[in-house]
Amino acid sequence: DTGVSQDPRHKITKRGQNVTFRCDPISEHNRLYWYRQTLGQGPEFLTYFQNEAQLEKSRLLSDRFSAERPKGSFSTLEIQRTEQGDSAMYLCASSLIIGEQETQYFGPGTRLLVL
Amino acid sequence: SQQGEEDPQALSIQEGENATMNCSYKTSINNLQWYRQNSGRGLVHLILIRSNEREKHSGRLRVTLDTSKKSSSLLITASRAADTASYFCATSRGGGFKTIFGAGTRLFVKA
Repeated sequence: DTGVSQDPRHKITKRGQNVTFRCDPISEHNRLYWYRQTLGQGPEFLTYFQNEAQLEKSRLLSDRFSAERPKGSFSTLEIQRTEQGDSAMYLCASSLIIGEQETQYFGPGTRLLVL
Repeated sequence: SQQGEEDPQALSIQEGENATMNCSYKTSINNLQWYRQNSGRGLVHLILIRSNEREKHSGRLRVTLDTSKKSSSLLITASRAADTASYFCATSRGGGFKTIFGAGTRLFVKA
């Protein structure tokens, strides 16, 4: 399978705990995105990387959120001191920029429930 | 804030009918894309239309783009129960700008 993979697929945690999600993009893709999606809404942009550089972070990404993409391959998204409002689906997508055109390929998502 | 806004928010049709969803956006774009999401799954890319294109087809899908009205439509012909999903438009200004998604249209096709 050469698609985008995410791990874990589901995570249940207690409020105040830290969680870390992993995304493995399609191997030749140079751009990697993280989104958050709540029920009935479209994906909300959180942050993205061009290779290993984190180019933009949304205002949605509080200080409790941090993302890394060491070596420009897989990425991790960590949420510290989780809150109930963090419960959502966290989606990862990767893309290969060719000129001005970009198509993002999404992983299956990690569904987080904070109790 | 989301750039793309889909209309209607929800649509219920009978199998075999056509389904039309609309998307409006606010700023100039380089391209517009439509994605499908089945319940609880990731998004699947359906079609991309460039800002200099007016219409594009892919199988049972037909997408139009009117940059003067900043709007796009997605038509699914001869719908099937398997088309039941949420459909999102996403706009990009190209270059280093990120893609922005709308809130989606929930399509339900009754067998």
